[in-house]
Amino acid sequence: DGGITQSPKYLFRKEGQNVTLSCEQNLNHDAMYWYRQDPGQGLRLIYYSQIVNDFQKGDIAEGYSVSREKKESFPLTVTSAQKNPTAFYLCASSTGGGMNTEAFFGQGTRLTVV
Amino acid sequence: GENVEQHPSTLSVQEGDSAVIKCTYSDSASNYFPWYKQELGKGPQLIIDIRSNVGEKKDQRIAVTLNKTAKHFSLHITETQPEDSAVYFCAAGFNDMRFGAGTRLTVKP
Repeated sequence: DGGITQSPKYLFRKEGQNVTLSCEQNLNHDAMYWYRQDPGQGLRLIYYSQIVNDFQKGDIAEGYSVSREKKESFPLTVTSAQKNPTAFYLCASSTGGGMNTEAFFGQGTRLTVV
Repeated sequence: GENVEQHPSTLSVQEGDSAVIKCTYSDSASNYFPWYKQELGKGPQLIIDIRSNVGEKKDQRIAVTLNKTAKHFSLHITETQPEDSAVYFCAAGFNDMRFGAGTRLTVKP
């Protein structure tokens, strides 16, 4: 089945540690995105990539890093520099070079800092 | 960059009634306006979208209207059912997408 897969579903991190969230898609989509969701604030764009080996900062990129070495994969690293990392993280993908087509979302990763 | 505002934040209706959610956007370059439905613990799923060259689009019980001059668009759900209860997000953009804060819709049986 085609789709977009995020793992793990739940993740716990100690303060001061980096952690990487996985996002894989087999939809042959060029564009991939990471959003952060906090209660009452909707989805905020962290990073997006419109093509392999290229990515752009979104509105809240500080404390996060990404890579896009393969078309299928767009991992997100939450670094120790992110002051408030506890949130629900959503990855999405879409066709073409922009997001003016339907975006398919993964099921999300809930990150908790303990 | 694009800024999307969404109202109301919560909406409660009786089963069978209509529900309307409204969004405004700031960037006149935005040309794509999707609406997503998110159920608890899941990622959002597209329910309907509209492009800037269209003023209205319908799909069974849901419809979206777009007023480019006023930079606002709305989601209309008719004959609501309990399974319509979820959080709804509007979004707007061109090369990237910005989302509204969401509306929690509750349909009471």
